Amino acid sequence: QQPVQSPQAVILREGEDAVINCSSSKALYSVHWYRQKHGEAPVFLMILLKGGEQKGHEKISASFNEKKQQSSLYLTASQLSYSGTYFCGTEKAYKLSFGAGTTVTVRA
Amino acid sequence: EAGVAQSPRYKIIEKRQSVAFWCNPISGHATLYWYQQILGQGPKLLIQFQNNGVVDDSQLPKDRFSAERLKGVDSTLKIQPAKLEDSAVYLCASSQGRWRGMNTEAFFGQGTRLTVV
Repeated sequence: QQPVQSPQAVILREGEDAVINCSSSKALYSVHWYRQKHGEAPVFLMILLKGGEQKGHEKISASFNEKKQQSSLYLTASQLSYSGTYFCGTEKAYKLSFGAGTTVTVRA
Repeated sequence: EAGVAQSPRYKIIEKRQSVAFWCNPISGHATLYWYQQILGQGPKLLIQFQNNGVVDDSQLPKDRFSAERLKGVDSTLKIQPAKLEDSAVYLCASSQGRWRGMNTEAFFGQGTRLTVV
């Protein structure tokens, strides 16, 4: 079953922060985060394992709460290069399924 | 290292025709995925291979789609016959396999944009 992401879209000015949420109705073992720019392939950002860990990639960080079956991606002090569509991928029985995505637009 | 190679990049066919896509994953990657991405939507998993065995193909429309992974390396995805709703980007991805019981990061190819008219 595919995870649910929110919000669907967000518009930011450079330097602003945003949070993208990903939730699943089923127990999760790990969560993947990817970013896709228009006309390009998705690019890996990070993987989080159950255990409530947090990870970071530049000023992008994420958390994973397996009890709530949720993960959140935090965009801090956003840059123009952060624009794109962010997908969370959840893994169940080794099957990697993606959400519908959150489109982030960062404006100068 | 070389990335995931896919061909062709673009394909236009008429409905009811057949089409095949090819994917060459990163060398040594055990897991190979085929995703269908319709414009404005997230990638939908069609089939996932672990070496040359199928992990999941529950969302593959088996009456018209087929996929194989030759000797656990290259893979082909075929559609026969194509329908208008098959118009999408078909993404192939690969990953090294499993670590601590989970799939490692997936590397995506550039995709094949299919238009069915």
